[in-house]
Amino acid sequence: NAGVTQTPKFQVLKTGQSMTLQCAQDMNHEYMSWYRQDPGMGLRLIHYSVGAGITDQGEVPNGYNVSRSTTEDFPLRLLSAAPSQTSVYFCASSRGDRRTVDTEAFFGQGTRLTVV
Amino acid sequence: GIQVEQSPPDLILQEGANSTLRCNFSDSVNNLQWFHQNPWGQLINLFYIPSGTKQNGRLSATTVATERYSLLYISSSQTTDSGVYFCAATSNDYKLSFGAGTTVTVRA
Repeated sequence: NAGVTQTPKFQVLKTGQSMTLQCAQDMNHEYMSWYRQDPGMGLRLIHYSVGAGITDQGEVPNGYNVSRSTTEDFPLRLLSAAPSQTSVYFCASSRGDRRTVDTEAFFGQGTRLTVV
Repeated sequence: GIQVEQSPPDLILQEGANSTLRCNFSDSVNNLQWFHQNPWGQLINLFYIPSGTKQNGRLSATTVATERYSLLYISSSQTTDSGVYFCAATSNDYKLSFGAGTTVTVRA
């Protein structure tokens, strides 16, 4: 059981380049989300999805796109990278089952992105 | 969204000492979690504790939902306990709000 898997672990981009951060979970969780962590700060929500085909914006969505075509995968796309997007990115998933009131979130290992 | 505040921001401990970290939140919660971010940046789940008390080895946590706070206790601290401890909460949805964290340094 791998949990939440993120790739790549490290990436350096030039300003204006595009790339996709991959996230996959094997726990059959409905809810998935992307966060960014900047130095000395907690995590901030970028985008989230409550199920396949449904996505919505979080606290800091500008410059990022997401899609959710399957339950397992939730990629994050940077269309034109900027130095302000230098950060550590975390993907998370949770069961999202209000009936059991179990919403514990599990995080991937993170992707350290540098935009030069 | 819900506001989460953690205290203290920094904590320096001698190995073997006990400590208490606090998390205050601004609204009723249906999810309250404690995480440990180790020096390699990994976020480790410590407790899922929207209410009540849980213990796991030298760590324990208590959430008093009616008074909107949670406490994380570290007993007999070890150098491997060093890192940043985050509290995160959500009220009526799945969007976790994180506190700024408590940086714990345990000295041998």
